[in-house]
Amino acid sequence: AQSVAQPEDQVNVAEGNPLTVKCTYSVSGNPYLFWYVQYPNRGLQFLLKYITGDNLVKGSYGFEAEFNKSQTSFHLKKPSALVSDSALYFCAVSSRDYGGSQGNLIFGKGTKLSVKP
Amino acid sequence: SQTIHQWPATLVQPVGSPLSLECTVEGTSNPNLYWYRQAAGRGLQLLFYSVGIGQISSEVPQNLSASRPQDRQFILSSKKLLLSDSGFYLCAWTRDHSYNEQFFGPGTRLTVL
Repeated sequence: AQSVAQPEDQVNVAEGNPLTVKCTYSVSGNPYLFWYVQYPNRGLQFLLKYITGDNLVKGSYGFEAEFNKSQTSFHLKKPSALVSDSALYFCAVSSRDYGGSQGNLIFGKGTKLSVKP
Repeated sequence: SQTIHQWPATLVQPVGSPLSLECTVEGTSNPNLYWYRQAAGRGLQLLFYSVGIGQISSEVPQNLSASRPQDRQFILSSKKLLLSDSGFYLCAWTRDHSYNEQFFGPGTRLTVL
């Protein structure tokens, strides 16, 4: 079965410290992996994606994510957190076998990131 | 550039009343379109998706329905709202294929009283 797990409901980080938001997945075939951010009462904003190639993907607002096939993980990282990074973060997965031409995604439950000054 | 609109932004409706939420996309043609519901600011539940005019796929049984009368218009409807229909409704679009990211609208906050 296809699934995405975000094991932490909330991550607390001090401003200026590095942050990591975890994501693991299970999907048939090669995965396509995505991260989105959602600010209160807003739609989701696309941050970055992994399709193929370099395992380290760089995205918007200084975020990056590392694809690890052996651990089936795609953790989101940022070297130095900002208070403005506080938001809800979603990991999502698709594949040619799941989603196909429809482009359907499976979303994790979300992780609330809180960055304190 | 492409933009996606949803309206209304907020809606308060009594139980048993009808519903119509609209989503339109500009700047692209033949997008795949999606309706999601988000409860309590957390996970997303895919309700419907459409790969073309008049083509609707339902992911979960419920008292909601969707229609796509035009290429870039996606409508979510209900004949009689339930309390459990309250939530944040998000519309999204993508170019076809599973490796393309989805782009989300601003959402509609629906409260059923």
